[in-house]
Amino acid sequence: KQEVTQIPAALSVPEGENLVLNCSFTDSAIYNLQWFRQDPGKGLTSLLLIQSSQREQTSGRLNASLDKSSGRSTLYIAASQPGDSATYLCAVLDTDKLIFGTGTRLQVFP
Amino acid sequence: DGGITQSPKYLFRKEGQNVTLSCEQNLNHDAMYWYRQDPGQGLRLIYYSQIVNDFQKGDIAEGYSVSREKKESFPLTVTSAQKNPTAFYLCASSLISGNTIYFGEGSWLTVV
Repeated sequence: KQEVTQIPAALSVPEGENLVLNCSFTDSAIYNLQWFRQDPGKGLTSLLLIQSSQREQTSGRLNASLDKSSGRSTLYIAASQPGDSATYLCAVLDTDKLIFGTGTRLQVFP
Repeated sequence: DGGITQSPKYLFRKEGQNVTLSCEQNLNHDAMYWYRQDPGQGLRLIYYSQIVNDFQKGDIAEGYSVSREKKESFPLTVTSAQKNPTAFYLCASSLISGNTIYFGEGSWLTVV
């Protein structure tokens, strides 16, 4: 059974730092991996989608990498800002279902 | 604007009552999903539908029911058989299964 783990569970950093969020999954037979942002009490916003054949995707200050063989993905956030404060979730597409991690709660303070 | 609309945003229900959460999308997506999120936990899949008039159980379908009579609508009924229904419910859709998935703003259900 596919399991998705995110480390750390929470992270607090000063503004301007570059940071890395980690996502690991137990079964490498995935179709794609997605990163999402969730603000408190809100729905999820899709940030990046990496197909299983891709190694990375970039959008603005965000860069996500995928290493299927090791069951890992990282989300790199450059020059963090207070507006980046949110919970970040990763999810893998396993057959026809998305399996979510429990998220990393990020706080960026001025 | 295109998107997914969930209603109501907040709902209180007495024990023993059924309640229906609405989800409407105007994105012309074929696939629709219902997730449940509990505090500090990830999302768990309740039901999903890849095409009109067809749906499948997710990981925690017991105590829930759905219908997909129209492409744009995927209502979720929380029945009295659901033992612990208080949670945040999220509806989502994608063009087809495997594409980028889009979420609604969620519905908070509290059983009193």
